Amino acid sequence: DIQMTQSPSSLSASIGDGVTITCRASQSINSDLNWYQQRPGKAPKLLIYAASSLQSGVPSRFSGSGSGTDFTLTISSLQPEDFATYYCQQSYGTPLTFGGGTKVEVK
Amino acid sequence: EVQLVESGGVLVQPGGSLRLSCAASGFTFDAFTMHWVRQTPGTGLEWVSFISRDGVTDYADSVKGRFTISRDNSKNTLYLQMNSLRTEDTALYYCVKDRVREYTDYDFDSWGQGTLVTVSS
Repeated sequence: DIQMTQSPSSLSASIGDGVTITCRASQSINSDLNWYQQRPGKAPKLLIYAASSLQSGVPSRFSGSGSGTDFTLTISSLQPEDFATYYCQQSYGTPLTFGGGTKVEVK
Repeated sequence: EVQLVESGGVLVQPGGSLRLSCAASGFTFDAFTMHWVRQTPGTGLEWVSFISRDGVTDYADSVKGRFTISRDNSKNTLYLQMNSLRTEDTALYYCVKDRVREYTDYDFDSWGQGTLVTVSS
């Protein structure tokens, strides 16, 4: 199975800050990497697919990059609605696996 | 608007069985691969199973041989038959839609709100 490791597991930031979350795969997954946002009590929401493609309706302050084993999710300027938990997921092959999550909290 | 509404989650004893359902609307159900994904506070998000538009299936090792995914395209409904349930199957189960029409790309673009399965004596 492909293991997905996210860092950090949590971070504190202020409105307007730029934030970067990293995800590392245990083997090369090309660009088969997705990012999700989950707010408390809600289902996850797809933000980025294929490592860097912005899902329809997602604000442009979200961006993704990387290929192979190392990936990043960047939020350019945090907004109040961005305080949530973020997960990466490899779509390279089954079993599909997720990272452990990064909780973005208010500083 | 895509809607996925899960049902069937209850409290069940270890060794018991349960069938989850997911009613889909707002898209051409039979054109998309569908998944079940579960979530627990302790283990995070875990993919459970998928079924393609033409009935190809796959499962996580943790449920293989115990769970069966199926779909009824005439009713726009996805199912998960869960047998020989274990305490570690306790989770919120999400019905999830694949992103690309007529192709399995493993990107989860729409999620239901989940149905809670609790396995306990």
